[in-house]
Formats: sequence, structure tokens, C-alpha cells
Amino acid sequence: DAGVTQSPTHLIKTRGQHVTLRCSPISGHKSVSWYQQVLGQGPQFIFQYYEKEERGRGNFPDRFSARQFPNYSSELNVNALLLGDSALYLCASSNFRTPYISYEQYFGPGTRLTVT
Amino acid sequence: AQSVTQLDSHVSVSEGTPVLLRCNYSSSYSPSLFWYVQHPNKGLQLLLKYTSAATLVKGINGFEAEFKKSETSFHLTKPSAHMSDAAEYFCVVSDRGSQGNLIFGKGTKLSVKP
Repeated sequence: DAGVTQSPTHLIKTRGQHVTLRCSPISGHKSVSWYQQVLGQGPQFIFQYYEKEERGRGNFPDRFSARQFPNYSSELNVNALLLGDSALYLCASSNFRTPYISYEQYFGPGTRLTVT
Repeated sequence: AQSVTQLDSHVSVSEGTPVLLRCNYSSSYSPSLFWYVQHPNKGLQLLLKYTSAATLVKGINGFEAEFKKSETSFHLTKPSAHMSDAAEYFCVVSDRGSQGNLIFGKGTKLSVKP
């Protein structure tokens, strides 16, 4: 079975531009989460989507937004890019159904975003 | 609030010697705890997880971890290091407070010398 896939693998953007990152979850998984990993740090939670609805949001500015499609794939959008947005963006899928249980999350290879 | 502290940013061992990566957690609820590994330029791979069953958890590639509630610790061990174990290791906590989302530590870089 295919794992979590992300596209593109690498991206270079200029400050002020907009970027869209894409993720396809493991077949059968209805939840997608996004994480930002800055060099030398652990990943930080950005968003969780389940059944096309936002279920959780981390401490990120409104420049960050996301959505989930009927086929459970997801997009992460970042507007007005700053140098500090340079990071590895990771997508994870899980078999999430209720927020009262922790589920294993399976990660994709990530998209490396460089903002110049 | 949930948090994870990885006590060592870098651990260096010789091939064939034991590995110990230390992790302390904070959680207001019964936590789930995970260890993930990240090889250079790769995504995150789940090594093992604790979800309130047996306190000694066995994972892939010979790794195991012990949940100690009294010490709020979840240290990762392996009896004998292999060169392929060289990677970044993340201790992760999740609970009802985080609504199942993962809270990562800052990571421990494991180096393995021949």
C-alpha cells in the first residue's frame, strides 16, 4: 500500500509570495495533520483536518490555512511568506475518529520550503 | 499543558554498545507516548508507542522503551547499536489536552562510531 505522499518535494519562493503544499493520506485514513519542522527543532503542529473539517489548530498566524477535499487529500497554504517560514513541512495521516484517543500518525517525506 | 524534554541533544556511542536516549514528559491526562526516528532527508518513522497497556514497550529494529509514571519518563534503549541507527530521535506525547495531536521534543541526534 502507498504511504503518505506529499508534493512538491522541494520549493523555493521569495518573501511575500504565496505557496500551496499538497498531501495525500494513506488509503482509508480520513484525518490529515500538518507540521512545521524548522532546522534543528522538532516538528510543531499546525492543523488537523478530519472529514473535511478543521479539528485543531496550532499556534500559527492566519497567513497559514488549509483545507481537506472529499477524497481526504489536503492542501496547506501560506500567504505573504517570510524568511522564517523556511522549513520542512510534514503531513501525517491517521485513523482518527475521536479526540479522546491518541492515534498513530504516519508521516510523509515532507516538502522542503526555502524562502529567499 | 503537555510537554516533552529530551535530556540530551546529542548522544554518541560505539557500534555494538548500548544506546540510551532519555525523555521526560508532562501531561495532565493519561498520555500516549511515542518515539519517532528521522534519518537524514527522510520523513518520520514510528519506532514504538505506549498507550496505557504494558509499561515496557518493544518497537522495531530492537528498540524498546519503559514508561515510568512515578518518574514521568519514557527512555529509549537498545542493547547493541548498529551503524544504521545513526539518526535523529524524537520523543512525542499526546493526550486529551492536545486532542490527540502530537507534541514533539527537540530531538536527540544519535551518532554511532565504528
